[in-house]
Amino acid sequence: QSVLTQPPSVSAAPGQRVTISCSGSSSNIGGNLVSWYQQVPGTAPKLLIYEDNKRPSGIPDRFSGSRSGTSATLGITGLQTGDEADYYCGTWDSSLSAGVFGGGTKLTVL
Amino acid sequence: QIQLVQSGGEVKKPGASVKASCKASGYSFSSYGISWVRQAPGQGLEWVGWISASNGNTNYAQKFRDRVTMTTDTSTTTAYLEVRSLRSDDTAVYYCARSGDYVNVNWFDAWGQGTLVTVSS
Repeated sequence: QSVLTQPPSVSAAPGQRVTISCSGSSSNIGGNLVSWYQQVPGTAPKLLIYEDNKRPSGIPDRFSGSRSGTSATLGITGLQTGDEADYYCGTWDSSLSAGVFGGGTKLTVL
Repeated sequence: QIQLVQSGGEVKKPGASVKASCKASGYSFSSYGISWVRQAPGQGLEWVGWISASNGNTNYAQKFRDRVTMTTDTSTTTAYLEVRSLRSDDTAVYYCARSGDYVNVNWFDAWGQGTLVTVSS
């Protein structure tokens, strides 16, 4: 079982907005920066958000991130069919001295 | 552009060892770390460990600490992951990913294509 908790799935219509939550504890999200990854099945993960809310070059501003307390949220606006993928949150866990991920959330664009 | 190119898939018997490689290009190899992340079939991402490409310092996840060794060769800008005493539940795609050159990694901004390791008798 994953250290970080994500909903198994979310769905929304094209053009709509969706949020994906990531819940942890004081030893991980509560004290460390969070990153988010998009993984299309059969391909490697891709960094979407780092340091809670920063986007790497080439990632559209439709993707946003935030962190508050022991939770983090990924937001995606203007949903496109190409956004269908699995999304993972990740951070450092100071108690485990290890990188940790959420279990992943499957996004379906209806 | 930044590229991480991994070695091909491997099929191993239980108890054997495997060594995967990750050839980096397009950036200053010694200025970053390399993390290894694995993904079992149909499962999520699992962090295996990290190595500094500048000084070779390592940090392994507790569950892998006695079976895994990570190394780098700065002359060829290649990172290696060796896993020993393989078990069937080690069957997974192993990814290398570029990360910061500090132990408490919290981002991975470039990924290899993955190496599928299959453990089967």
